Amino acid sequence: EPEVTQTPSHQVTQMGQEVILRCVPISNHLYFYWYRQILGQKVEFLVSFYNNEISEKSEIFDDQFSVERPDGSNFTLKIRSTKLEDSAMYFCASIERQGNYGYTFGSGTRLTVV
Amino acid sequence: GENVEQHPSTLSVQEGDSAVIKCTYSDSASNYFPWYKQELGKRPQLIIDIRSNVGEKKDQRIAVTLNKTAKHFSLHITETQPEDSAVYFCAAHQGDSGGYQKVTFGIGTKLQVIP
Repeated sequence: EPEVTQTPSHQVTQMGQEVILRCVPISNHLYFYWYRQILGQKVEFLVSFYNNEISEKSEIFDDQFSVERPDGSNFTLKIRSTKLEDSAMYFCASIERQGNYGYTFGSGTRLTVV
Repeated sequence: GENVEQHPSTLSVQEGDSAVIKCTYSDSASNYFPWYKQELGKRPQLIIDIRSNVGEKKDQRIAVTLNKTAKHFSLHITETQPEDSAVYFCAAHQGDSGGYQKVTFGIGTKLQVIP
């Protein structure tokens, strides 16, 4: 079964540092998403991406965050200057085509900001 | 915006009993309702879904029901087994014809099946 892969699985960074989280969506999927999950809490929407541009972003996705798909396969989330409250599990997700379908989530990156 | 409420937050059942998790939503434009299972330390995985033109869907021991009038949908697990222990999330999608989906998740239910 095709999978969405994410790297790294765990990232520890100092407050104020930049981090880049990487995702490789399923090859024929067209719509990409980043979600985060603070420990013990629900999954929260960050941003959606289609046709090389952001479709929508949440209030969490402020100027410190950016996304891009630099080479047609990788889908990255960059946090420019990390804060303690950015510590969470970050999930990438993708869907194949138009219409309502359940997500295929990646395995996640646990980001710890110290 | 959409608001999805999920309850209970925790649920303990004896192995073999049934478990029911309920979600309500606020936006009548929501038209797709998936359920995800998240085992400890792992990714959420889609286990069943239902679209707004269907009232009930079943897949072996799991089923989902949808009441559009009341704006609520439920997950039913019968003959529970220890491996059903996980956190279950409901979600509500408001999709458009362009394919973009706006998704709101419930807060999750931690299900514990006691052997």
